[in-house]
Amino acid sequence: QSVLTQPPSASGTPGQRVTISCSGSSSNIGRNYVYWYQQLPGTAPKLLIFRNNERPSGVPDRISASKSGTSASLAISGLRSEDEADYYCVAWDASLRGPAFGGGTKLTVL
Amino acid sequence: QITLKESGPTLVKPTQTLTLTCTFSGFSLTTTGVGVGWIRQPPGEALEWLALILWDDDKRYSPSLRSRLTITRDTAKNQVVLTMTNMDPVDTATYYCAHRRGSGGELFDYWGQGILVTVTS
Repeated sequence: QSVLTQPPSASGTPGQRVTISCSGSSSNIGRNYVYWYQQLPGTAPKLLIFRNNERPSGVPDRISASKSGTSASLAISGLRSEDEADYYCVAWDASLRGPAFGGGTKLTVL
Repeated sequence: QITLKESGPTLVKPTQTLTLTCTFSGFSLTTTGVGVGWIRQPPGEALEWLALILWDDDKRYSPSLRSRLTITRDTAKNQVVLTMTNMDPVDTATYYCAHRRGSGGELFDYWGQGILVTVTS
């Protein structure tokens, strides 16, 4: 059972906009940054978003994220086949004294 | 340029102790706020945080695995070592180490490629 809650799956067609939600608590998302990672099959996770909504260099601006209260969301617009991957949200958890991970969302591009 | 690489056995027997080494470059583990964490992923499952060592040698562990884990560092060799005792087939997973970019709620930015550890008799 993951500390942060994500939907197990999401889908969209090429060109569409999809969002992935991440729900936590006052111990994690409510008081700390949310990070998002993309994991392509057979590869290590790659940082997509840090500090709630900042993109590392190289991540396109069609990827965005937001946070409100104890929830966060990742949005991917102009969906492409190469976006098909697993996406994870993570936030520091004060009770855990460490990072809390979401269970991951498998994004399928139809 | 920050890089990390995991090394260790890829096959262990039940009840044995697993020792994994993360060798990194491009940063110092004595820089304020920096840390190195270990995260694992069983085949087809989600990521799970295991342990974290910080710049001041503070160590944090997942509560569910705390009794089995030890994380240490060798700043001269730029290495972080994770030991996990009493291995079981359910511990079969890809084990990753990752660089924590700072304090104040900051998390991992760079990850190693991972090492698949299989627990079987």
